[in-house]
Amino acid sequence: DAKTTQPPSMDCAEGRAANLPCNHSTISGNEYVYWYRQIHSQGPQYIIHGLKNNETNEMASLIITEDRKSSTLILPHATLRDTAVYYCIVRVEFGTGFQKLVFGTGTRLLVSP
Amino acid sequence: EAQVTQNPRYLITVTGKKLTVTCSQNMNHEYMSWYRQDPGLGLRQIYYSMNVEVTDKGDVPEGYKVSRKEKRNFPLILESPSPNQTSLYFCASSSPSSGGLGTIYFGEGSWLTVV
Repeated sequence: DAKTTQPPSMDCAEGRAANLPCNHSTISGNEYVYWYRQIHSQGPQYIIHGLKNNETNEMASLIITEDRKSSTLILPHATLRDTAVYYCIVRVEFGTGFQKLVFGTGTRLLVSP
Repeated sequence: EAQVTQNPRYLITVTGKKLTVTCSQNMNHEYMSWYRQDPGLGLRQIYYSMNVEVTDKGDVPEGYKVSRKEKRNFPLILESPSPNQTSLYFCASSSPSSGGLGTIYFGEGSWLTVV
């Protein structure tokens, strides 16, 4: 399984962009990068995913490098409610079609006033 | 509303007393799985199910059992709980996907303490 590496913690000022990096140097060509976040000890919440191209949705943007060895999650205007642990995950899809999420330990983002 | 519902949310039990954590989803998803979350270890998969009557071990299956008799339900069974099973447990569900589509939905978690 491909492994992801993230910084353990980051700080961001409210209203500023939060850029969360992730290294996944062993990712395979057909493995997607997913981002989830977990607020306190609630269930992880889906944010965004991508394969090769950059992606954007109402929550965030995902920038994937051309060699796919790393990516960055961007929260364009962080709010206090974005304080959470953010997980960069490679989704492994077995030949049978089953999906498995391989979680790392994530980045604890603290958004301050 | 799409939901994965777990019960109980909080439980303190004694070593050896069998317990079941229920999980139900209302999205008609084929795939369901159980994770446990421990400090410093992140989320680790316990068991998963690809459909009714189809289950398999994840990364940390020891001490757990599961069953999938109905599509919507995927209970986690601890036949003889031990203190090292004290953890936060999450149930998750999703549908088969192609092209990377398909979100995995998580329940709100079940705090289990075994004394």
